[in-house]
Amino acid sequence: AQSVTQLGSHVSVSEGALVLLRCNYSSSVPPYLFWYVQYPNQGLQLLLKYTTGATLVKGINGFEAEFKKSETSFHLTKPSAHMSDAAEYFCAVSDSPPGGYQKVTFGIGTKLQVIP
Amino acid sequence: DAGITQSPRHKVTETGTPVTLRCHQTENHRYMYWYRQDPGHGLRLIHYSYGVKDTDKGEVSDGYSVSRSKTEDFLLTLESATSSQTSVYFCAISPSSSTDTQYFGPGTRLTVL
Repeated sequence: AQSVTQLGSHVSVSEGALVLLRCNYSSSVPPYLFWYVQYPNQGLQLLLKYTTGATLVKGINGFEAEFKKSETSFHLTKPSAHMSDAAEYFCAVSDSPPGGYQKVTFGIGTKLQVIP
Repeated sequence: DAGITQSPRHKVTETGTPVTLRCHQTENHRYMYWYRQDPGHGLRLIHYSYGVKDTDKGEVSDGYSVSRSKTEDFLLTLESATSSQTSVYFCAISPSSSTDTQYFGPGTRLTVL
């Protein structure tokens, strides 16, 4: 069974400060890992994903995440927060191989507040 | 953006009434999913479809049924709505190619009074 734990349901950072959103997962097979972002009253948008290969993954809007197998973590970071980053972020894990039905388990989400 | 629309976008209904939500895609993707989003729970899978007339249950399927008569449409029905089904419902799609990404619709906010 797969699961995702997001540490901190609310995170506040100052504009220009480092953003760090934590995600730990469990999976019985090599996982596929995702970060999605949800802006108010919108659907989820893919930020980045890890499937295989390089463990440091770069996504849109300056975000990146590093897959650390030994720590079962996939933390999301951005060097300098912008006001437009205020949103809810979801970490997700899938143990389904590409091309088929995607059984994805989502974390409960972390709301990011950016303080001017 | 993936071509996914959901209708209605907002609905208020009363306990015991039937409700149908529609998801429409223009991407010709094979797989379609219905999720509900609730505070403290993230997104939970209700049902999914792997082709026309091929559907299966997710983790929170009780009280919900689905149908897919065409590739582009996936309907979610609450046969007799309850207050516990007040939620935001999202449709997602994924292709049968090598990609592993799900693409989400804008959501439907359902309130059951």
